[in-house]
Amino acid sequence: DGGITQSPKYLFRKEGQNVTLSCEQNLNHDAMYWYRQDPGQGLRLIYYSQIVNDFQKGDIAEGYSVSREKKESFPLTVTSAQKNPTAFYLCASSISGLSGNTIYFGEGSWLTVV
Amino acid sequence: AQSVSQHNHHVILSEAASLELGCNYSYGGTVNLFWYVQYPGQHLQLLLKYFSGDPLVKGIKGFEAEFIKSKFSFNLRKPSVQWSDTAEYFCAVKLGQTGANNLFFGTGTRLTVIP
Repeated sequence: DGGITQSPKYLFRKEGQNVTLSCEQNLNHDAMYWYRQDPGQGLRLIYYSQIVNDFQKGDIAEGYSVSREKKESFPLTVTSAQKNPTAFYLCASSISGLSGNTIYFGEGSWLTVV
Repeated sequence: AQSVSQHNHHVILSEAASLELGCNYSYGGTVNLFWYVQYPGQHLQLLLKYFSGDPLVKGIKGFEAEFIKSKFSFNLRKPSVQWSDTAEYFCAVKLGQTGANNLFFGTGTRLTVIP
C-alpha cells in the first residue's frame, strides 16, 4: 500500500543526545515536511523540502536538521540544541510545492526526553 | 503574521446533535482551506478541502464546510454526529500565492460524542 512510514513510533532520549526520526514515502511525492504537534498549539512546521537535495526552514527549525538525499526519504535529526524536544512529530508529503495540493501525513513519532 | 484560530478547544455533544466547529484565519489573499481529523491513535486524515468554486464543500462521513470570504471563516458542520466522530479536528490554511507549500494549523478542537 502507498503511504508515509515514520519510525520509530516511540523514542526515548537522554538529554544531550541527538536522535534521528525516519520518514519514508512511496507515493512518489516531490515535497516532504516535518511538523511538530504540541498540546494546545496545533501543528508547527519545522522543515520542508520541495525537491531532492533542497530543503527550507519552517517556523521552528532551531535545534533540528534534515537531509533529502533521496526523493522518498526525509529524516529529521533532533539535536541536543533543541531546548524542548519532547513532542509528537509528524512527517508529511504532497505531490509538489504548487498551490492546491493536499498534504498527507504519516502516523507520527513520539519523542520523550528523559 | 498569518494565523488560524479555532475558538472551541473541547466540544462535548450527544449523539444525533448538530455540530459546528469554528475556524477563522488572518490573511487577505488567496487561500486554500482544509479540515483534518485525527481519530484516537490514528494519523491525521483529510476531511475536506476548499481550493476554489462553490464555497460549500462536502467531505467524508457527512461533514461539510462553508468558506465565507468576507468573514475569513471556514466552519465545519455536521447535522447529526455519531459516537465514531469522537476525534480531534484541525483547521488548516495554505497561502495560495506563496512559493512555500506551508500549511498553517489551528490549535485543534477535541470533539467528544456521548452515546
